[in-house]
Amino acid sequence: GAVVSQHPSWVICKSGTSVKIECRSLDFQATTMFWYRQFPKQSLMLMATSNEGSKATYEQGVEKDKFLINHASLTLSTLTVTSAHPEDSSFYICSVTGLAGFEQFFGPGTRLTVL
Amino acid sequence: GENVEQHPSTLSVQEGDSAVIKCTYSDSASNYFPWYKQELGKRPQLIIDIRSNVGEKKDQRIAVTLNKTAKHFSLHITETQPEDSAVYFCAASIGGAQKLVFGQGTRLTINP
Repeated sequence: GAVVSQHPSWVICKSGTSVKIECRSLDFQATTMFWYRQFPKQSLMLMATSNEGSKATYEQGVEKDKFLINHASLTLSTLTVTSAHPEDSSFYICSVTGLAGFEQFFGPGTRLTVL
Repeated sequence: GENVEQHPSTLSVQEGDSAVIKCTYSDSASNYFPWYKQELGKRPQLIIDIRSNVGEKKDQRIAVTLNKTAKHFSLHITETQPEDSAVYFCAASIGGAQKLVFGQGTRLTINP
């Protein structure tokens, strides 16, 4: 499967600040990446689909101006949480589709805590 | 939109026994159904998947069955071991797209 990394693995920030999370596909070029959010003891909720060279597609209810996604290259997608608030505290996970185009392989996740 | 229901939410079995987790989906156009295992604080790991043109798939102690008519699919784990303890998620593709919708998860506990 695909090898996916995320940075940072955890971050603590003050309310009102912005945080950038990086997702990298290490072993192949990924035209599509996905961003998920997972609250404690809950399931994964798809936030947006990140497409290299074009604008991200956001799921219903996800504020695109708050969660900025940039897929600048075939190996890197970034998620920026702008003006973070305590309710944004969550586990953010990216995924990459495999070569067959169906499987999704996940990064290790980034735990965001907003104070 | 697509909705995936997963049951049970918690499951406790004796080591060596079998465990079965069931999911139903709503979109008849869904054609890809993966199962993920997630340990606390870790990433979801793909353990098995099935495409809509197949009714059953097996990989050692793990198997998945799919009933397209009834729109449900199940995960079967045989000869369970303590290391099988984790949260398991089913998912279904949204139509023919790559996007996935996840079930609510099942916390599986294997009792030694």
